[in-house]
Amino acid sequence: GQQLNQSPQSMFIQEGEDVSMNCTSSSIFNTWLWYKQDPGEGPVLLIALYKAGELTSNGRLTAQFGITRKDSFLNISASIPSDVGIYFCAGGNYGGSQGNLIFGKGTKLSVKP
Amino acid sequence: GAGVSQSPSNKVTEKGKDVELRCDPISGHTALYWYRQSLGQGLEFLIYFQGNSAPDKSGLPSDRFSAERTGGSVSTLTIQRTQQEDSAVYLCASSGGGYQETQYFGPGTRLLVL
Repeated sequence: GQQLNQSPQSMFIQEGEDVSMNCTSSSIFNTWLWYKQDPGEGPVLLIALYKAGELTSNGRLTAQFGITRKDSFLNISASIPSDVGIYFCAGGNYGGSQGNLIFGKGTKLSVKP
Repeated sequence: GAGVSQSPSNKVTEKGKDVELRCDPISGHTALYWYRQSLGQGLEFLIYFQGNSAPDKSGLPSDRFSAERTGGSVSTLTIQRTQQEDSAVYLCASSGGGYQETQYFGPGTRLLVL
């Protein structure tokens, strides 16, 4: 089945640093989504991308839908402590009978000790 | 309601018992999804409802798993004869159901099978 490779698996951040993570797929999607999950909570949508090449920002977050439709990246600028959590990419092919998302395994952001 | 709600928030059961997990989607959302998240893993798709019908059940791991949705609203995920490997967080999401509609998640039910 379809799989997403998300990297890095984990990273440590220091306040003020920029952070970058990405997802690649063996097959194409028509939608890419980025979620953040805090402990004990469900994933919360950060950014949704619907068009190949699309670059979208949400505050300090920027994400792009790769032109090949097989990849996406998420950048966080000037990180702050509340950015800590697990970030998931998800690819979808909406329409017809298929509505589910395929998720990456997540990138865990922790504060640098 | 304002968001997707799920109950119970936590469930501990003994191996072999049946469990029912409930999801209340966002009011008016026609599409409803169930996912499973094992410790340290991403989300694994289980089943998708459009209204009361399930056009995609491809993610259900075995015939011990079933789900239904009534009145185009509440959904119940049932796991029969639970096994220890069923222990996970079960997440429900809903969306408006139209093309490009994004999914909004509930807080999940944490299931532990002893």
